[in-house]
Amino acid sequence: NAGVTQTPKFRVLKTGQSMTLLCAQDMNHEYMYWYRQDPGMGLRLIHYSVGEGTTAKGEVPDGYNVSRLKKQNFLLGLESAAPSQTSVYFCASSRGQRTNYGYTFGSGTRLTVV
Amino acid sequence: AQSVTQPDIHITVSEGASLELRCNYSYGATPYLFWYVQSPGQGLQLLLKYFSGDTLVQGIKGFEAEFKRSQSSFNLRKPSVHWSDAAEYFCAVGASSSASKIIFGSGTRLSIRP
Repeated sequence: NAGVTQTPKFRVLKTGQSMTLLCAQDMNHEYMYWYRQDPGMGLRLIHYSVGEGTTAKGEVPDGYNVSRLKKQNFLLGLESAAPSQTSVYFCASSRGQRTNYGYTFGSGTRLTVV
Repeated sequence: AQSVTQPDIHITVSEGASLELRCNYSYGATPYLFWYVQSPGQGLQLLLKYFSGDTLVQGIKGFEAEFKRSQSSFNLRKPSVHWSDAAEYFCAVGASSSASKIIFGSGTRLSIRP
C-alpha cells in the first residue's frame, strides 16, 4: 500500500542543470498535482493533470514542465535550474474531479539549487 | 478566486492544554474546507474535511473543526494536546467547480511545551 511515492527524496543541483522529479501513485487516481512548499508561503500549485496525457498550469508554472504519459506517473522537469527553485516539492493525487475527494500526498523532494 | 488565511505562524501550548488553530477563508459560494497536518520531513495528511451538513466536523487524532459561515472561519480544535501533535497544520479551501484545485494557507507551526 505505497500510495504516492516521490523520487528522489533529496537532490542538490548546480545552477543551469536539469533534472526530473518522479511521482508515482498506485491508487488508480485520475488527478495528480505538483506543489512547491516554501517557508511562510504554504503550498503553491505548479502544474496539475486531470488524466493520462493531459497537463495544465497552476499558480507558479514558470521554469517547470510536466508530463503524464502513464496514468500512474507524473513527472516534473526543471530544464535549467535556478536558485529560486530551491524548495520542497510535493506530489499529490486525487480520485477525481470532485473536490471532496481530497488529496493524498507524497513525502516530498527537497531540492537545493546552488 | 478562493483564498485562505492562517493568522498564526507559530503557536506553543502545554501538553494537556486545549488547542485552537485559526483559519479564515474567502470564497463566494459554499466552500470545501480541509485541515491537513505535516509532521517533520513528511508529506501532508488529511485530518478532516467539510463539504455540507453538520458544521462541526470530527477528524482523526481527536481533532475537530467548526465551520462558521458568518465569520468565514474553519478553526481547528483539540481539547487536550499530546507531544506527538507537534507539527505544521495547513488549512485549505477548494471550489466546488470541476477544477478540483485546492488552495492552501501558509500554515501554523504547533510546538508542545512539556
